[in-house]
Amino acid sequence: EDQVTQSPEALRLQEGESSSLNCSYTVSGLRGLFWYRQDPGKGPEFLFTLYSAGEEKEKERLKATLTKKESFLHITAPKPEDSATYLCAVLEGAAGNKLTFGGGTRVLVKP
Amino acid sequence: DGGITQSPKYLFRKEGQNVTLSCEQNLNHDAMYWYRQDPGQGLRLIYYSQIVNDFQKGDIAEGYSVSREKKESFPLTVTSAQKNPTAFYLCASKGLAGVITGELFFGEGSRLTVL
Repeated sequence: EDQVTQSPEALRLQEGESSSLNCSYTVSGLRGLFWYRQDPGKGPEFLFTLYSAGEEKEKERLKATLTKKESFLHITAPKPEDSATYLCAVLEGAAGNKLTFGGGTRVLVKP
Repeated sequence: DGGITQSPKYLFRKEGQNVTLSCEQNLNHDAMYWYRQDPGQGLRLIYYSQIVNDFQKGDIAEGYSVSREKKESFPLTVTSAQKNPTAFYLCASKGLAGVITGELFFGEGSRLTVL
């Protein structure tokens, strides 16, 4: 069975304190890995798509990287507005259009 | 503005009652999805539809039903057979169905509480 595991479950950071979130996956034939941001009580918002090992994507203070077994979301010099839950999801070879989501990492950035 | 509209935002239900959650999109997307999210957990797929008049069960379809009579609409009924229905329900859509893309557009969600 496909598994997507995110760690840590929660992360408390001081403003400006850089850190990384991990998303590890076990799928046969990865077709894509996706990062979403979710604010409390809202629907997730798409951030990045990564397709192959070695690929990197950046958006403001966020940078996503991908290896053969995991992805990292690096948050550089975070601000309080970066506080959210970050979800990763994978699209596996035989699953068609079905994404499998991880449990998410709740990030709190204190001023 | 294009987007996905879910209603109601909050819903309270007594045990034994069926309820229907509405999801409407004006993005002209072919594929639509229903996910369930429990506190501190990721999203679990209930049902999805890639085309009008067709839908498939996801990982946790028991106790739920859907219909897709129009491209724009994908309502979810939570039946009395669903043993633990209290959750946050998210509707999503995706364009270019059949093409490899993980970009889902989500609604604002519906929070269902069973009293």
